[in-house]
Amino acid sequence: DTGVSQDPRHKITKRGQNVTFRCDPISEHNRLYWYRQTLGQGPEFLTYFQNEAQLEKSRLLSDRFSAERPKGSFSTLEIQRTEQGDSAMYLCASTNEGGGNTIYFGEGSWLTVV
Amino acid sequence: EDQVTQSPEALRLQEGESSSLNCSYTVSGLRGLFWYRQDPGKGPEFLFTLYSAGEEKEKERLKATLTKKESFLHITAPKPEDSATYLCAVLSQGGSEKLVFGKGTKLTVNP
Repeated sequence: DTGVSQDPRHKITKRGQNVTFRCDPISEHNRLYWYRQTLGQGPEFLTYFQNEAQLEKSRLLSDRFSAERPKGSFSTLEIQRTEQGDSAMYLCASTNEGGGNTIYFGEGSWLTVV
Repeated sequence: EDQVTQSPEALRLQEGESSSLNCSYTVSGLRGLFWYRQDPGKGPEFLFTLYSAGEEKEKERLKATLTKKESFLHITAPKPEDSATYLCAVLSQGGSEKLVFGKGTKLTVNP
């Protein structure tokens, strides 16, 4: 399978703990995105990278959230001091540069904060 | 601010009963309109991209159309396996690379 891969698929954590999600994009895709989705809502944009550069961040991305894409390949999304409101599915997506090209999503990482 | 509104929120059809889903949008110049299918607990699966008014695309029982203000996803003779949430999203010319999604239409096709 050469699609977007996310790990872990499910994570339950206690409030106040830190969590990290990993995303491996489709090979040779230079753009990588993170979105968050809660039940009954469409995905909401968090941030995007072109190669290793983080070019856009949403206001939703509070200072407890940090994303990296070292070497322009895989990416990590870390949430520090988790809160119950962080419970959601975190989606990663990738595409090639060109704007308007097909953006492919991974299966998502479910986070439950208890 | 870019906005996407999908209707209806939920739709129940009998197998073989054709219908349409609506996606109304407001953007500062459209770069692309995307349709995705999402099954419960899974990520969105790409269906179509439309770029300009008048454009149409088809895939099996699905056909997407685009005007300057809205897009329709027509489902012809649906089957139970077409049951899913269908998401619409837009990419604007405003300089941002973010997709703005609607809340989706949950389609249930009964046998």
